[in-house]
Amino acid sequence: DAGVTQSPTHLIKTRGQHVTLRCSPISGHKSVSWYQQVLGQGPQFIFQYYEKEERGRGNFPDRFSARQFPNYSSELNVNALLLGDSALYLCASSFGLTNEQFFGPGTRLTVL
Amino acid sequence: DQQVKQNSPSLSVQEGRISILNCDYTNSMFDYFLWYKKYPAEGPTFLISISSIKDKNEDGRFTVFLNKSAKHLSLHIVPSQPGDSAVYFCAASADSWGKFQFGAGTQVVVTP
Repeated sequence: DAGVTQSPTHLIKTRGQHVTLRCSPISGHKSVSWYQQVLGQGPQFIFQYYEKEERGRGNFPDRFSARQFPNYSSELNVNALLLGDSALYLCASSFGLTNEQFFGPGTRLTVL
Repeated sequence: DQQVKQNSPSLSVQEGRISILNCDYTNSMFDYFLWYKKYPAEGPTFLISISSIKDKNEDGRFTVFLNKSAKHLSLHIVPSQPGDSAVYFCAASADSWGKFQFGAGTQVVVTP
């Protein structure tokens, strides 16, 4: 079975631009969570979606938004990019009622 | 506000010996804890979990201990192997829906 996949692998943007990151969960998993990992820190929770509804949101500005599609894949959108948004963005999926989350390899976003 | 802290950024241990990783938390509402291992260029991989109703959980070479009164958990790896060289994150949640808070990680290096 394929694991969690994320695209693109790497991305370079300039300040003020918009970015969309994509995530496909493990087949059968209905929950997707997004995390931001800045160099030298642990992952910071951004969003969790379950059955296409937002179930949790971390302490991130409204420039960050996400959605989950009927096939349970998910997109993370970031508007008006800032230099500080440069990070590894991780997606994790879980079946829903279990706490074991499976992470994808991440998307490395660089904002210049 | 960092509610999960891993105060040792790095740990060096000899192959075959025990690795002990520590994690402290401040939020008394946390009731579920996980350990993840992360290799470079990969997403975190789930290792072991423990709920607040237990004080110990074992899985092969990995044992997690939870001391609720001290708000402290630790991960023991016995015996340590070269493949254990990675960054280890502890994570905690106050509900069952995956809004986990991560520590900053501990880099473990297992030497021959």
